[in-house]
Amino acid sequence: AQSVTQPDIHITVSEGASLELRCNYSYGATPYLFWYVQSPGQGLQLLLKYFSGDTLVQGIKGFEAEFKRSQSSFNLRKPSVHWSDAAEYFCAVGATGTASKLTFGTGTRLQVTL
Amino acid sequence: EAQVTQNPRYLITVTGKKLTVTCSQNMNHEYMSWYRQDPGLGLRQIYYSMNVEVTDKGDVPEGYKVSRKEKRNFPLILESPSPNQTSLYFCASSYRTASYEQYFGPGTRLTVT
Repeated sequence: AQSVTQPDIHITVSEGASLELRCNYSYGATPYLFWYVQSPGQGLQLLLKYFSGDTLVQGIKGFEAEFKRSQSSFNLRKPSVHWSDAAEYFCAVGATGTASKLTFGTGTRLQVTL
Repeated sequence: EAQVTQNPRYLITVTGKKLTVTCSQNMNHEYMSWYRQDPGLGLRQIYYSMNVEVTDKGDVPEGYKVSRKEKRNFPLILESPSPNQTSLYFCASSYRTASYEQYFGPGTRLTVT
């Protein structure tokens, strides 16, 4: 069975500072990995995804994530945070092949101070 | 505009009164899914559908029903709601399976008293 751990429930950063959100997964093979963002009162939007190939993936809004197989991690990064990045971020893992489900982490709420 | 719509957006009801939350997508997606979101628990899958007339249980299906008679619609039915079903519900769709990008609806906040 697949699982995802997001160890940080809440993170506060200053605007302009760098950001790293942690995600660890458990899956028996190479997984499909996703980061979604949920702005207040909104549904979820895909930031980026990893299926195969280059382990550093670029997403929307200036975000990137790096897949590290040896550490079973898929951490999300941004070099300079903007106030509009305040939201909840979810890491998710999916099985390869005919996948019926994504398993989501419990989320990390990002607060940005001015 | 490509979108997933849900109705209603907010619903307050009483224990035992049957309700349906509708979900519709206009992207001709094969895969659709229902999630509930609870504080500290993230999103948990309730039911999913890989195509018309093909549905299956997710992680937390108890107390819920679904149907997929048409490709675009995937309603969530609570036959006898209970207070522990108070939650934020999301419908999502994707091109073929859960591992393609999922497009989420805006959510339905349900309160059962």
